[in-house]
Amino acid sequence: AQKITQTQPGMFVQEKEAVTLDCTYDTSDPSYGLFWYKQPSSGEMIFLIYQGSYDQQNATEGRYSLNFQKARKSANLVISASQLGDSAMYFCAMRGGTSGTYKYIFGTGTRLKVLA
Amino acid sequence: DVKVTQSSRYLVKRTGEKVFLECVQDMDHENMFWYRQDPGLGLRLIYFSYDVKMKEKGDIPEGYSVSREKKERFSLILESASTNQTSMYLCASSLGQHPAGYTFGSGTRLTVV
Repeated sequence: AQKITQTQPGMFVQEKEAVTLDCTYDTSDPSYGLFWYKQPSSGEMIFLIYQGSYDQQNATEGRYSLNFQKARKSANLVISASQLGDSAMYFCAMRGGTSGTYKYIFGTGTRLKVLA
Repeated sequence: DVKVTQSSRYLVKRTGEKVFLECVQDMDHENMFWYRQDPGLGLRLIYFSYDVKMKEKGDIPEGYSVSREKKERFSLILESASTNQTSMYLCASSLGQHPAGYTFGSGTRLTVV
């Protein structure tokens, strides 16, 4: 069975510093996708970054990068130069690769608080 | 941009009522999903649909049903609302295995009293 684990319920980071949010996954599919979403207090889920299981390079999107370690089955999100607006809930998610399976499973989330 | 619209942001219903949560997307996505979000449990899949009139159970379908009569609309139905269905409900849609993943609605916070 597929599973996503986020072991950090909450984290603090000082403004302008970098922070890493942990995510490990478990799947027997050879092909899968990994996602990170941000959920501010308004409740809307915002797509941040995607990593495909066959991608050779780690994904980056602006200040966000995904540290993908396939052998360790980890997909940690790195946020560089944290800003106050980064305070939010962050979810790691996985999409299975089986043909026709487009549903995602989500981790329990990490609440990040950026301190001024 | 794809937009996913959930009809209500906040909803308060009484135990035993039949509740409809509506979700509409405007970009012709085949796939639509209903999740509920609870603290410490993350998002859990209730039902999903890959096509009109098609539905499949997710991980926690008990007490819920869905309807997809048109491609753009996916409705979640609580047949007889109970207090343990108090939660945040999130609708999402997606286009195949597009790397942009899901587009979510803004959520409906349902309270059952």
